Amino acid sequence: EAQVTQNPRYLITVTGKKLTVTCSQNMNHEYMSWYRQDPGLGLRQIYYSMNVEVTDKGDVPEGYKVSRKEKRNFPLILESPSPNQTSLYFCASSLSGSEQYFGPGTRLTVT
Amino acid sequence: RKEVEQDPGPFNVPEGATVAFNCTYSNSASQSFFWYRQDCRKEPKLLMSVYSSGNEDGRFTAQLNRASQYISLLIRDSKLSDSATYLCVVPPNPPNSGYALNFGKGTSLLVTP
Repeated sequence: EAQVTQNPRYLITVTGKKLTVTCSQNMNHEYMSWYRQDPGLGLRQIYYSMNVEVTDKGDVPEGYKVSRKEKRNFPLILESPSPNQTSLYFCASSLSGSEQYFGPGTRLTVT
Repeated sequence: RKEVEQDPGPFNVPEGATVAFNCTYSNSASQSFFWYRQDCRKEPKLLMSVYSSGNEDGRFTAQLNRASQYISLLIRDSKLSDSATYLCVVPPNPPNSGYALNFGKGTSLLVTP
């Protein structure tokens, strides 16, 4: 089954404790992105990757890192999480960059 | 002007009604458009693509008005299961501009018995 998976689905952590949210797709898509979704603000792109070893900042990259060592994986790293990073996070992949397929989401709470 | 704007709603309609949402966009060079559906706390899922004047899929019709720079989504014979948030999406143009899809903030639809 073609899908995008994310782990963990739910995470409660404390300020400053490094965490990684994994994202994997099995559709051989070149393009992958991370978004965060907050009430009243809609979906905002954090980082994107057009191919292996090619990543770039989206609209709200501060406080996040990504890596793309393999085509299928695109982890999101929060080196020192803060409460303002409490959000719902979505990973997405796309063959062409337009129609994107989203993972199920990761609900992160930073206390 | 924001890149993509939608009426947030909520639109409350009875089962069987016809409802339409509009979405305006600012980039006149945009060539393709999408409607995504998002259920509460779940991931957005592609509902329809619009590449020319419009697209129809069963009870759903998407139309594009390039002159006025808006797209619309029409839902006929609304079902309870249509209750969701509908996101209007405009890809960047040129398409290699970071692949940051421009999402509207969504229109909330509630279909009632």
